[in-house]
Amino acid sequence: QSVLTQPPSVSAAPGQKVIISCSGSSSNIGNNYVSWYQQLPGTAPKFLIYDNNKRPSGIPDRFSGSKSGTSATLGITGLQTGDEADYYCGTWDTSLSAGVFGTGTKVTVL
Amino acid sequence: QVQLVQSGAEVKKPGASVKVSCKASGYTFTGYYMHWVRQAPGQGLEWMGWINPSSGGTNYAQKFQGRVTMTRDTSISTAYMELSRLRSDDTAVYYCARDGTGDGTGWFGENALSIDYWGQGTLVTVSS
Repeated sequence: QSVLTQPPSVSAAPGQKVIISCSGSSSNIGNNYVSWYQQLPGTAPKFLIYDNNKRPSGIPDRFSGSKSGTSATLGITGLQTGDEADYYCGTWDTSLSAGVFGTGTKVTVL
Repeated sequence: QVQLVQSGAEVKKPGASVKVSCKASGYTFTGYYMHWVRQAPGQGLEWMGWINPSSGGTNYAQKFQGRVTMTRDTSISTAYMELSRLRSDDTAVYYCARDGTGDGTGWFGENALSIDYWGQGTLVTVSS
């Protein structure tokens, strides 16, 4: 059971925008940096966002991250069929002295 | 380019041990911490622990303490994860994953989980 909570699924039509939330606490999101990962079916996760809102090279600016208090969000604009995947947030939990991931959100393009 | 290449799938009986390897290339192996993450079928990602390839120091998730051992061989840029006393609920894909924090300085501040490269995964099946 993860300490970070995400909605199980979100969906939108092609070209639209989705926002995925990641809720935690002061021991994790509240005082540490958040990252986001995209996992296409049958593949390893891919690095999307780090330090709350920074994109690694090669990640399009359609993907954005933000953090406020003990919650973080991932936004995807201009939704494409290739964006259909599971998305996970991740951070460090200072109380647990452990890495933690969110429960995961499945994005469906209608 | 950075690559993490893991060993092949394993089938083990309950109570046995498994050792998964992860060969790194394309970067200085000792400059970045390595995490191990697993994913049970149809489930989410679960962090197991990290190893500092430079010092060999480790930090394991409480859930796995006493059953997991992470080691490395710097001469061949390879990290290992051994899990003992396997149970059926250990059936999962196991990933090694490089932490990009520190940009090769070997520093990891334990204030983020910034995994920039992942291995291809190793399926471990535990079945009698």
